[in-house]
Amino acid sequence: AQSVTQPDIHITVSEGASLELRCNYSYGATPYLFWYVQSPGQGLQLLLKYFSGDTLVQGIKGFEAEFKRSQSSFNLRKPSVHWSDAAEYFCAVGGAGFNQGGKLIFGQGTELSVKP
Amino acid sequence: GAVVSQHPSRVICKSGTSVKIECRSLDFQATTMFWYRQFPKQSLMLMATSNEGSKATYEQGVEKDKFLINHASLTLSTLTVTSAHPEDSSFYICSAREPAGLSQPQHFGDGTRLSIL
Repeated sequence: AQSVTQPDIHITVSEGASLELRCNYSYGATPYLFWYVQSPGQGLQLLLKYFSGDTLVQGIKGFEAEFKRSQSSFNLRKPSVHWSDAAEYFCAVGGAGFNQGGKLIFGQGTELSVKP
Repeated sequence: GAVVSQHPSRVICKSGTSVKIECRSLDFQATTMFWYRQFPKQSLMLMATSNEGSKATYEQGVEKDKFLINHASLTLSTLTVTSAHPEDSSFYICSAREPAGLSQPQHFGDGTRLSIL
């Protein structure tokens, strides 16, 4: 069955420290992978996406993610966290193997807190 | 970048009222839109997939007569919560997928906070 797991419900990092948010997926075909960020009371903003090609993808706001097929992972990273990065982060998977027009499966989300 | 507008952002109404939420893709044509429900501190739960010009596809457990979806144009989908009750209070979010392939990302509206008294 298709699924997305974000093992960390809540992470706290110091401002300026590096960040890695974990995402593991289970998918029966070539996955399309996404990271979204959600600020309180708002919708989701796309940070980055992976479809094919280079397994290290760059996104907005200084984020990057690396696709590792052997580990079924798509971890999100940022070298230096800013206080404004505090938000909820969702990993999602979709693709041709998940029929009905591009539905996404979302992970449970990771809440990021940034301390001064 | 692709912009999706959702309106209203917040609704407070009495039990038994029907509430309509609009989702518009402002700078692209969306043949497919999605409606989600999100409970506090939880992930998004897909309610239905809205296809322009055809009936919506509802996820298992979602009452189609309760949550009416209309996708009459390539830029507008609406969700109507009929005869809303307190248990329908939630955060509803729509998204629209850019055309040209399943690899295109979904772009999300800012959500609607629905509170039924």
